[in-house]
Amino acid sequence: KAGVTQTPRYLIKTRGQQVTLSCSPISGHRSVSWYQQTPGQGLQFLFEYFSETQRNKGNFPGRFSGRQFSNSRSEMNVSTLELGDSALYLCASSPLLAGGQETQYFGPGTRLLVL
Amino acid sequence: SQQGEEDPQALSIQEGENATMNCSYKTSINNLQWYRQNSGRGLVHLILIRSNEREKHSGRLRVTLDTSKKSSSLLITASRAADTASYFCATALNSNYKLTFGKGTLLTVNP
Repeated sequence: KAGVTQTPRYLIKTRGQQVTLSCSPISGHRSVSWYQQTPGQGLQFLFEYFSETQRNKGNFPGRFSGRQFSNSRSEMNVSTLELGDSALYLCASSPLLAGGQETQYFGPGTRLLVL
Repeated sequence: SQQGEEDPQALSIQEGENATMNCSYKTSINNLQWYRQNSGRGLVHLILIRSNEREKHSGRLRVTLDTSKKSSSLLITASRAADTASYFCATALNSNYKLTFGKGTLLTVNP
């Protein structure tokens, strides 16, 4: 099976712009989670989706949003970008109802640089 | 605050030696998972151990879990230069669908 794919892999934006990141889970996986990784804060949970429903949300401002489509593909959007949003954004998928209850399979990430 | 905290933050050893990393957490968990990350890339799952398990093995990896002490350890035996990476523990609670990661241990294996 193909792994989790994320597009784009690298992105440069300026403050105030918005960005949309895409994640395609492993075929058959229905749970998709997003994480932000920065040197200062480490890996932090953003949100998790299952069957197009957000089941859990991390402690991030409303500028961070996401959605999941009927084919389980997911997107996350960050509006009004700030310098501190520069990070590696990781998407992970897991089968069935799992979320964090089972192994999560991570994509290669999207590295976002905000100037 | 982080649910899991790894110790040490950095570890440097020679090829062939064993590497031990520890993880402590704060609340009751459903499971604890270990992941590896090579130089800012995606995370690779290593082992998942459930709260009712005490030890699991996978190849050169051995993970223990002590729920009374809220701690886990990851042992890599006969290390190789290719094991050089950051290692993270992550915990999952019964009540939600997310993983909470520690800050990781940077392991360097010198050839």
